[in-house]
Amino acid sequence: DAGVIQSPRHEVTEMGQEVTLRCKPISGHDYLFWYRQTMMRGLELLIYFNNNVPIDDSGMPEDRFSAKMPNASFSTLKIQPSEPRDSAVYFCASSNSGSNWAGELFFGEGSRLTVL
Amino acid sequence: AQRVTQPEKLLSVFKGAPVELKCNYSYSGSPELFWYVQYSRQRLQLLLRHISRESIKGFTADLNKGETSFHLKKPFAQEEDSAMYYCALRISQGAQKLVFGQGTRLTINP
Repeated sequence: DAGVIQSPRHEVTEMGQEVTLRCKPISGHDYLFWYRQTMMRGLELLIYFNNNVPIDDSGMPEDRFSAKMPNASFSTLKIQPSEPRDSAVYFCASSNSGSNWAGELFFGEGSRLTVL
Repeated sequence: AQRVTQPEKLLSVFKGAPVELKCNYSYSGSPELFWYVQYSRQRLQLLLRHISRESIKGFTADLNKGETSFHLKKPFAQEEDSAMYYCALRISQGAQKLVFGQGTRLTINP
C-alpha cells in the first residue's frame, strides 16, 4: 500500500487564484482528516470526514475554504480565492474506526502551498 | 477549551545528553495523549501513546494528570532523534479527533 497520497506536492500560485488539493486515503479507512501546518500555529485540524460525511468543520478558517469527499477514495480541499496567509503545508490523514482505536492517524506527505 | 501546549518551538541538545520535550494539555475529560514524530523527508507518524506505557526508540512519556503534562523523555539522545515532535490529545470519546500542539523541533548536536 502506498499510504495516503496527496497531490500536488508543491503549489505556487498568485493571490486570488483558486487552489485545489487532493487526497486519496488508505483503502479501507473510513476517517479522513485535513490538517494545516504552519510555523506559528503548528498542526491545525481543519475538517474531518467519517464515511464520506463531514463530521466537524469547525477548524475551517473561513468561507474561502471548502472540502468535499465524493467517495471513499477521494477528497479535495479547495481555497477560493487564495491569500498569502494561506501559505502552509496541508496534510491529509486517514484512519479506520473501531472501539479499540489506538490513536494512529496515517499521514500523507503533504502539499506545500505558497500564495504570492 | 481543549488545548495542547508545547512551550518550546526549538530544542537543541548534545548527543548522549538527556532529552525532555514538554507537553501540557487542557481537557475536562479523561485524556488520551500521543506523541507523533516527523523525521526529515518522512511522513508524520505515531511515536507512542500513553495508554500503552511503552518505550519506543528509547523514548517514554508519562501522563501526569495533576500537572496536566505528558512530557517526552529519553535518557541519552542520538543524532537520529533529530526531528519535529508533536504532542496530541484525543478530545472526543468515540471519535478520532486529535488536537495537536505547535510542535518542537529537536536538534541533536554531535
